[in-house]
Amino acid sequence: AQSVAQPEDQVNVAEGNPLTVKCTYSVSGNPYLFWYVQYPNRGLQFLLKYITGDNLVKGSYGFEAEFNKSQTSFHLKKPSALVSDSALYFCAVRAIQTGANNLFFGTGTRLTVIP
Amino acid sequence: DAMVIQNPRYQVTQFGKPVTLSCSQTLNHNVMYWYQQKSSQAPKLLFHYYDKDFNNEADTPDNFQSRRPNTSFCFLDIRSPGLGDAAMYLCATSRDPGGSTDTQYFGPGTRLTVL
Repeated sequence: AQSVAQPEDQVNVAEGNPLTVKCTYSVSGNPYLFWYVQYPNRGLQFLLKYITGDNLVKGSYGFEAEFNKSQTSFHLKKPSALVSDSALYFCAVRAIQTGANNLFFGTGTRLTVIP
Repeated sequence: DAMVIQNPRYQVTQFGKPVTLSCSQTLNHNVMYWYQQKSSQAPKLLFHYYDKDFNNEADTPDNFQSRRPNTSFCFLDIRSPGLGDAAMYLCATSRDPGGSTDTQYFGPGTRLTVL
């Protein structure tokens, strides 16, 4: 069975500092991994995904994520946080071999960037 | 701009009174999804359509139904809403469910309140 864990419900970071939002996953076989961001009363916006290839994936708004197969992790990072980055972040996984398109989401991490 | 549109953004209904939520897309994607997201929880897939083929998740209650009259539109019908059905309902689309790089794009969501 597929699952995703986001161990931190809340992450606070000062504006201008680097940020990391953690995600670990569990799948049978190779995973497809996604990060989405959700602003208040809005839908999910796609940030980036890992399918194959380079372990460092670059996405929208200066975000990037590093796929680490040995640690089964896909942490989201940004070198310099902005106040406007404050939002709810979801990690999601889809197992390739199932053939289904069901995304399994983590429970989300609320990022607050402090001015 | 190509997008996923949901109407209404906010819906209030009474306990037991049928309600329909609407989703439309200009992306011309083959697949449309409906997710339920309760407060502070991860989105949970209810069902999806691949073209006209309906795919229900095993644990989706019978109270939830869906219609897709054409490529652009998909409806979520809740036949007898209960208090526990109050949630944000998210519509998403993707081009091809079997595609290795398939990404889901979400609408802004409809927040349902049940009185």
